[in-house]
Amino acid sequence: DGGITQSPKYLFRKEGQNVTLSCEQNLNHDAMYWYRQDPGQGLRLIYYSQIVNDFQKGDIAEGYSVSREKKESFPLTVTSAQKNPTAFYLCASRGGTEAFFGQGTRLTVV
Amino acid sequence: EDQVTQSPEALRLQEGESSSLNCSYTVSGLRGLFWYRQDPGKGPEFLFTLYSAGEEKEKERLKATLTKKESFLHITAPKPEDSATYLCAVLRLTGGGNKLTFGTGTQLKVEL
Repeated sequence: DGGITQSPKYLFRKEGQNVTLSCEQNLNHDAMYWYRQDPGQGLRLIYYSQIVNDFQKGDIAEGYSVSREKKESFPLTVTSAQKNPTAFYLCASRGGTEAFFGQGTRLTVV
Repeated sequence: EDQVTQSPEALRLQEGESSSLNCSYTVSGLRGLFWYRQDPGKGPEFLFTLYSAGEEKEKERLKATLTKKESFLHITAPKPEDSATYLCAVLRLTGGGNKLTFGTGTQLKVEL
């Protein structure tokens, strides 16, 4: 079954802790993206990657970090430096004429 | 900086009442314009990609068109199940890859 898998679906974090969100794709896409969505708002770009071992900051990269060691995987770490981490996080991959999303991870800071 | 503006922010239609959603953009070197549908609590669902002015694509009751400054998503005879948030995004080549920037979306409600 091809697609993008994000895990976990729900995540709770205590203030001051780092947390890593997983994103895996088996579509053989080169490009991958991370977005943040707040209630009633659109998607804001955090990081994107065109190839393995290379990635670029998006519009709201502060407090986040990523890695791209494998084509299939693009994990996102939300660090303690992110002041308002509670949000819905979406990962996407793009290849050819299409770009697909995972089902998202809802992160809540408690 | 890429700018993507969607209007209206919200739209309420009666079943069967056709209408259009607008996505206007300011981007240098557009490589593609994407449309998505998003249901509450879910990831966006891919609908269309348009590449050049004058291009049109259709899927069921949806038809997307593209000009040099904007794109329209036409909804013909909508049904309640078409209720969702519709998002557009522009793809632009940067020094490090292809950046995909989204608008804030149009929330569509179709009533019986």
